[in-house]
Amino acid sequence: GQQLNQSPQSMFIQEGEDVSMNCTSSSIFNTWLWYKQEPGEGPVLLIALYKAGELTSNGRLTAQFGITRKDSFLNISASIPSDVGIYFCAGPPSGTYKYIFGTGTRLKVLA
Amino acid sequence: ETGVTQSPTHLIKTRGQQVTLRCSSQSGHNTVSWYQQALGQGPQFIFQYYREEENGRGNFPPRFSGLQFPNYSSELNVNALELDDSALYLCASSPSSGANVLTFGAGSRLTVL
Repeated sequence: GQQLNQSPQSMFIQEGEDVSMNCTSSSIFNTWLWYKQEPGEGPVLLIALYKAGELTSNGRLTAQFGITRKDSFLNISASIPSDVGIYFCAGPPSGTYKYIFGTGTRLKVLA
Repeated sequence: ETGVTQSPTHLIKTRGQQVTLRCSSQSGHNTVSWYQQALGQGPQFIFQYYREEENGRGNFPPRFSGLQFPNYSSELNVNALELDDSALYLCASSPSSGANVLTFGAGSRLTVL
């Protein structure tokens, strides 16, 4: 099935470092969502973006809706051990409501 | 406000069997979507239910079917199970059938032997 491309695929960082990840699509999106999934759990919403160029923060997390509407970025500042998990971008291509998910970025934080 | 709940949490079936997974949507949500998440992959859209009818479908064969009930809860049925059906099945609810934030349950882990 169709998926969004996320990079990097995985990251190992030291506690306190900042993290950046991105998501790209060949289709235009009107909504971008960022989710975090921990083992044995369903994805949990972190940030929702609804407008090209929009920059939204949620605590140490900041996400941006790309101007081209084909990409989005998520930044985590001052990482802590509980940031460990898989981060997914998701959204419905313009004109649909069938949410497509990215391939995920696996984050590990070393204390 | 209760979240999305799914049952069972884990189950094991053999090839050719049938399975039914259940989902209760979050309070105030009338739309339910089902996703299949294979190990190491992102969730894949199976279908969405709104007002007790299928409202859109992903690239899954007809042996994947579903129901939505008047209380907005939903079932996912899979017939003639295949080994590749082994996955985490996620249910997500949303306030309406349009482009809305999805709230996910913890999933049902299906293993097909």
